[in-house]
Amino acid sequence: ETGVTQSPTHLIKTRGQQVTLRCSSQSGHNTVSWYQQALGQGPQFIFQYYREEENGRGNFPPRFSGLQFPNYSSELNVNALELDDSALYLCASSPAGGQSETQYFGPGTRLLVL
Amino acid sequence: GESVGLHLPTLSVQEGDNSIINCAYSNSASDYFIWYKQESGKGPQFIIDIRSNMDKRQGQRVTVLLNKTVKHLSLQIAATQPGDSAVYFCAENGESNYQLIWGAGTKLIIKP
Repeated sequence: ETGVTQSPTHLIKTRGQQVTLRCSSQSGHNTVSWYQQALGQGPQFIFQYYREEENGRGNFPPRFSGLQFPNYSSELNVNALELDDSALYLCASSPAGGQSETQYFGPGTRLLVL
Repeated sequence: GESVGLHLPTLSVQEGDNSIINCAYSNSASDYFIWYKQESGKGPQFIIDIRSNMDKRQGQRVTVLLNKTVKHLSLQIAATQPGDSAVYFCAENGESNYQLIWGAGTKLIIKP
């Protein structure tokens, strides 16, 4: 069974640029959630995708957007990058929609915005 | 607003002793709670979860206790090992069925 994978592992961008992060869900899981984790803090929920539709969204601006593909993999897109977007971006998959299911996390993508 | 907090940011425990990590939550609507372990450079790893219709749940070397009266959650790790060194997060589902609300984490340090 393959776990959650994310790419790239590290990324450096400059302010104003756009970035796309990718996630492959665990085998058999149809729900993907994205989180932002600043250094020394707990993860903050960005949004969740279930069967290719956004299933819920946290307190993040519209420049954070996402996609889910038929194979349940997902992308997180961030436009007009700001310095405060520097963080670890985590993807988690679960077998069904909704947060009341155990989520399994990937290793994350470390984004640095200069 | 909604919050999940931890009483101690750092916990230092002798190898072989039991560890207890505490967590306070503020949202009475939460009915699902999870403990995650995050090692340096890695994503959070699921440890154990509990639903609000239970007050105790046991796993391998871990026990989660839920006290809904005082909105308190704890994680007990038996016979702590060096591999238990990590940051431990508690999380709750709050009023939304979509997002988990996470605390800031407790760093567990194992002394040899």
